[in-house]
Amino acid sequence: DAKTTQPTSMDCAEGRAANLPCNHSTISGNEYVYWYRQIHSQGPQYIIHGLKNNETNEMASLIITEDRKSSTLILPHATLRDTAVYYCIAHYAGNNRKLIWGLGTSLAVNP
Amino acid sequence: NAGVTQTPKFQVLKTGQSMTLQCAQDMNHNSMYWYRQDPGMGLRLIYYSASEGTTDKGEVPNGYNVSRLNKREFSLRLESAAPSQTSVYFCATVGQAISYEQYFGPGTRLTVT
Repeated sequence: DAKTTQPTSMDCAEGRAANLPCNHSTISGNEYVYWYRQIHSQGPQYIIHGLKNNETNEMASLIITEDRKSSTLILPHATLRDTAVYYCIAHYAGNNRKLIWGLGTSLAVNP
Repeated sequence: NAGVTQTPKFQVLKTGQSMTLQCAQDMNHNSMYWYRQDPGMGLRLIYYSASEGTTDKGEVPNGYNVSRLNKREFSLRLESAAPSQTSVYFCATVGQAISYEQYFGPGTRLTVT
């Protein structure tokens, strides 16, 4: 699986959009981009994933650049409960063994 | 619908003791995983099971064994615990093969003294 690079930490004001970047410059054509978050030592929670097109669900939006070398997770109206570590993973669904979880971005949503 | 459950939530072992961590899911998923998470490190895959009756090693399998008892249950066994196995252990299941999102349990916090 391709390695991903994320900023160590970010801050966001409550009610504003939180834009979390991820670099995956070595991603291959059959690898999806997945986003998860982990709130204070709980089990990670799936947020969203995509291959080429932008995606949106009830939690967030995922914007993938045309060359697929980077992506941005957008939380449109961040709340205090969105304070968490956010993980970006590039993964080929058929390869169980090589899932690589980095250290993620620690997002602090401030009142 | 409980999703993914893990027992116990906390455990303290002495070096050399053995124990089994239990994981169960009611999501009817085929694939199940065991991860460990240490401070300052990302999740690392210990073992996974693509389907009932199959298991494979992940990134850090040494010192662990697993059993896929049936479709619902996937257990992780420490035969002779070591302090290096102090960690938080997460079980996860995988959604449909084409989308492959993972669903995690709440974790087991294990301390080996």
